[in-house]
Amino acid sequence: QKEVEQNSGPLSVPEGAIASLNCTYSDRGSQSFFWYRQYSGKSPELIMSIYSNGDKEDGRFTAQLNKASQYVSLLIRDSQPSDSATYLCAVREGGGSYIPTFGRGTSLIVHP
Amino acid sequence: NAGVMQNPRHLVRRRGQEARLRCSPMKGHSHVYWYRQLPEEGLKFMVYLQKENIIDESGMPKERFSAEFPKEGPSILRIQQVVRGDSAAYFCATSGNADEKLFFGSGTQLSVL
Repeated sequence: QKEVEQNSGPLSVPEGAIASLNCTYSDRGSQSFFWYRQYSGKSPELIMSIYSNGDKEDGRFTAQLNKASQYVSLLIRDSQPSDSATYLCAVREGGGSYIPTFGRGTSLIVHP
Repeated sequence: NAGVMQNPRHLVRRRGQEARLRCSPMKGHSHVYWYRQLPEEGLKFMVYLQKENIIDESGMPKERFSAEFPKEGPSILRIQQVVRGDSAAYFCATSGNADEKLFFGSGTQLSVL
């Protein structure tokens, strides 16, 4: 059974700091990786997608992928209180299975 | 995502009634995924559909639950004879192709009294 693991948190960081969110997955055949942000009572919103090993940057967000270690992370630079939310990691297997599996999410709190 | 439309936003049903949840994909999207989310839990996959076809329903309970995505109109998730344990947020997500990123609707919060 495919598993996606995240620390539930909460992860608490001061405003302006770097928040580091981590995710591990069990299926070595996984090909696509996504980070979603979900505010309380709202729907998930796509932040980043990454498909190749290495780093991918988009504004204050950097996704990092290491397929050998089955590990994907999200860094948020210059964290703001508005970044306080639950961050969901999603992993999609390659080879014909198109269903993303989600982790339970990490709660991030950015305090002023 | 404003492009994926779900309704109703809130649905209250008594035990034994039927619940119908609707999802209209973003323009150009023909792949629909339904997920269920309980408080403090992640998104649990239920069913994946393309137009007129159920591709994968491995996450859907065998009884009382069904889904469809007709040629015309929205995708429907139907729960018959609801029980209190069905209370949850139900999200649909859509994509243009099977291997593309998913965009979520605003969800339907189902409450069973």
